[in-house]
Amino acid sequence: DIQMTQSPSYLSASIGDKVTITCRASQSITTYVNWYQQKPGKAPRPLIYVASVLQSGVPARFSGSGSGTHFTLTITGLQPEDFATYFCQHSSSTLTFGGGTKVDLK
Amino acid sequence: QAQLVQSGPEVKRTGTSVKVSCKASGYTFSTYGVAWVRQAPGQGLEWLGWISNYKDQTKYAENMQGRITMTRDKATTTAYMELESLTSDDTAVYSCARVVHDVLTASYYFDVWGQGTLVTVSS
Repeated sequence: DIQMTQSPSYLSASIGDKVTITCRASQSITTYVNWYQQKPGKAPRPLIYVASVLQSGVPARFSGSGSGTHFTLTITGLQPEDFATYFCQHSSSTLTFGGGTKVDLK
Repeated sequence: QAQLVQSGPEVKRTGTSVKVSCKASGYTFSTYGVAWVRQAPGQGLEWLGWISNYKDQTKYAENMQGRITMTRDKATTTAYMELESLTSDDTAVYSCARVVHDVLTASYYFDVWGQGTLVTVSS
């Protein structure tokens, strides 16, 4: 299976900050990456698919980029409702997740 | 609206097996696959595998091969996940999720999730 490695595992930020989360694949996966947001006790919410396409209803402050083995999720202008854990996922054949990045209030 | 409702919590002994169900409603069951994911206490999401709506084909995570079986019953719109030879490492919340296949990009994502089923394994 393709391995997805996220960094950092924990991130401390303030309201209004620009936050960047990285995900690396163990081999090239072109743009087959999804991003999810999960809040405590809730199911993950899909944010982005094929690396950069926003799901319907997701605010424009979220953006994704990358291809091959290196991908990023960026939140530009962090809002209170954005404090959560974020996961990347390989989105073809094996649907493995990264380890997650918890975004907490500084 | 689309909904997935899972069976209740389970307590199992080491070495036994568990079968979790996932009842779908509010959408055409035959047009979507179902994936299974687990989350151990304080840990991240671990993809276990999925069953496609195309000929019920299955794809399992490598570390689950030989120990996990996923099935689906179109008549009752229910998906099942059975895990054998349980150990304490299998203690986790198990969730099913609807798999969307985006034809344009040939990619997949999960858009609707079950509420999760806590499986506790003890000796």
